[in-house]
Amino acid sequence: DAGITQSPRHKVTETGTPVTLRCHQTENHRYMYWYRQDPGHGLRLIHYSYGVKDTDKGEVSDGYSVSRSKTEDFLLTLESATSSQTSVYFCAISDHGQSGELFFGEGSRLTVL
Amino acid sequence: KNQVEQSPQSLIILEGKNCTLQCNYTVSPFSNLRWYKQDTGRGPVSLTIMTFSENTKSNGRYTATLDADTKQSSLHITASQLSDSASYICVVSAAGGSYIPTFGRGTSLIVHP
Repeated sequence: DAGITQSPRHKVTETGTPVTLRCHQTENHRYMYWYRQDPGHGLRLIHYSYGVKDTDKGEVSDGYSVSRSKTEDFLLTLESATSSQTSVYFCAISDHGQSGELFFGEGSRLTVL
Repeated sequence: KNQVEQSPQSLIILEGKNCTLQCNYTVSPFSNLRWYKQDTGRGPVSLTIMTFSENTKSNGRYTATLDADTKQSSLHITASQLSDSASYICVVSAAGGSYIPTFGRGTSLIVHP
């Protein structure tokens, strides 16, 4: 299994609080992605990174920010969580963004009350 | 706009039976197509990859086909087992420097004993 660790795996928080999810990889892959998965929508891209300090928005980036200060870590931050951000969040990595296989973490389930 | 459509949305079959899942895409220019399996509560895992020149590829009881002319792919599962119960996601990558693959919403397969 690819070395990807997401933390926390489960979190319950209240509306308006900040939340940070962490993705840590030991594969030295260049590309890292954050997805959210909701019933009826499948996996939707929030943000992605193609190198240290190189990030870009995905299709559902509003309300989220990311940072990648080193190859192995990709952080997803919800500055002020809302109930619509209740979801399961998946981190993925790839060694070739264009055609490489995506390796996913185990997911982080976030509930915003 | 690149799109991937999967059908059916959900499927229930009896153990031992065969089934076929469909994927239609409009991603252009085409690079490759992957089928992922996602068990409940886990991240997706790649089953197979199809490139432009490949018509069929097998991975155990899973056989994927690709018709690049009609932009269709199928995933055939032979002699289904209870462990095949999962969501199957079709993911298509474009050529030409895009880091972002296009995801289908998945087919939820339930295998009953």
